[in-house]
Amino acid sequence: GQSLEQPSEVTAVEGAIVQINCTYQTSGFYGLSWYQQHDGGAPTFLSYNGLDGLEETGRFSSFLSRSDSYGYLLLQELQMKDSASYFCAVRDNYGQNFVFGPGTRLSVLP
Amino acid sequence: DSGVTQTPKHLITATGQRVTLRCSPRSGDLSVYWYQQSLDQGLQFLIQYYNGEERAKGNILERFSAQQFPDLHSELNLSSLELGDSALYFCASSPGQFDEQFFGPGTRLTVL
Repeated sequence: GQSLEQPSEVTAVEGAIVQINCTYQTSGFYGLSWYQQHDGGAPTFLSYNGLDGLEETGRFSSFLSRSDSYGYLLLQELQMKDSASYFCAVRDNYGQNFVFGPGTRLSVLP
Repeated sequence: DSGVTQTPKHLITATGQRVTLRCSPRSGDLSVYWYQQSLDQGLQFLIQYYNGEERAKGNILERFSAQQFPDLHSELNLSSLELGDSALYFCASSPGQFDEQFFGPGTRLTVL
């Protein structure tokens, strides 16, 4: 079956850099996405990696290594508003299923 | 505001009942996805429709069904409701079949 693992909680201070890791076990891997969800809100798309390497979008970057079944989300210049839950999600079974990780709760301290 | 709308925002019903959740995708988006989010099970993918046809299926119970209409809005029908069905139900849409997804605000279902 499919499974994704992420740390449950991460804490950092404003201005710092934080990395949230995601490891996955799937069949027919089709890509790794990252979503942000604030308390009481809906998930919002952050980044997608279909191929190995780094994707950069402003303060956020995401990395994928398909051979290691591993990816991470890198958040730079942390701001208080970045406090939220972050989910990695895999499209697998050749695009026929979406599986979300359990989420990582990021707390940014002043 | 993602442009995806869901109604109702809140729904309270009793066990054994049936409810219908509605979703209108962003203008131009052909794919609609349904997700269930509960505290103990996280975000679970239920089903995807693309231009009116079922495209992908996740862990959707047999008591649940969905459809996408010609105007591309979608409905999720939940029947024989159980206490464990209480959750936040999200709809998302995307332009194609494999693009980034834009989530609606969700419908909070409470089964008493």
